[in-house]
Amino acid sequence: AQSVSQHNHHVILSEAASLELGCNYSYGGTVNLFWYVQYPGQHLQLLLKYFSGDPLVKGIKGFEAEFIKSKFSFNLRKPSVQWSDTAEYFCAVMRSNTGNQFYFGTGTSLTVIP
Amino acid sequence: NAGVTQTPKFQVLKTGQSMTLQCAQDMNHNSMYWYRQDPGMGLRLIYYSASEGTTDKGEVPNGYNVSRLNKREFSLRLESAAPSQTSVYFCASSPSKAAKNIQYFGAGTRLSVL
Repeated sequence: AQSVSQHNHHVILSEAASLELGCNYSYGGTVNLFWYVQYPGQHLQLLLKYFSGDPLVKGIKGFEAEFIKSKFSFNLRKPSVQWSDTAEYFCAVMRSNTGNQFYFGTGTSLTVIP
Repeated sequence: NAGVTQTPKFQVLKTGQSMTLQCAQDMNHNSMYWYRQDPGMGLRLIYYSASEGTTDKGEVPNGYNVSRLNKREFSLRLESAAPSQTSVYFCASSPSKAAKNIQYFGAGTRLSVL
């Protein structure tokens, strides 16, 4: 069973629209949380990460994510998307009680229309 | 900086053929990983090497073998390729398997098994 859920499989937005991509996980215990982005034809790059502290984390290119422990969620947001944000976005969870293995969600494909 | 380098970038095999995917990192990282990426499945861990001289199975190890040749290199071998192994393969590395480490990815190898 998929334990990292990204409910939005494909999102299409116009430029300047706001973005929120959902990520939920089903693990208990200590987790570290990540969002990776994969631009067309490229490898995965880290957008942002949460280890501890302020649950609102800011990443590169104006992205941010909020860790809500009670909801097991780590949603990705951006106030105003650009055409260059067209990419696939992956949420990942590192579980401390499984040797710090990474578990990835199935990904959300974002298309931004100019 | 090269980071994580994978070769080849593309490969076509016939069922039953064997091949080795190469991965090298120049960041002096201790831990290395092999993932496969399939549509609708996200990234799934095949094997990982927490440190030089050790390897462990991930989520989907069947049909694969790995070798941690030295600290820099971690290869993935398909002894008898099957169509189900058609996928994009990503190698990644991280400073260690400890918490609060991020993974750095290579550009991927696109493999088709006919």
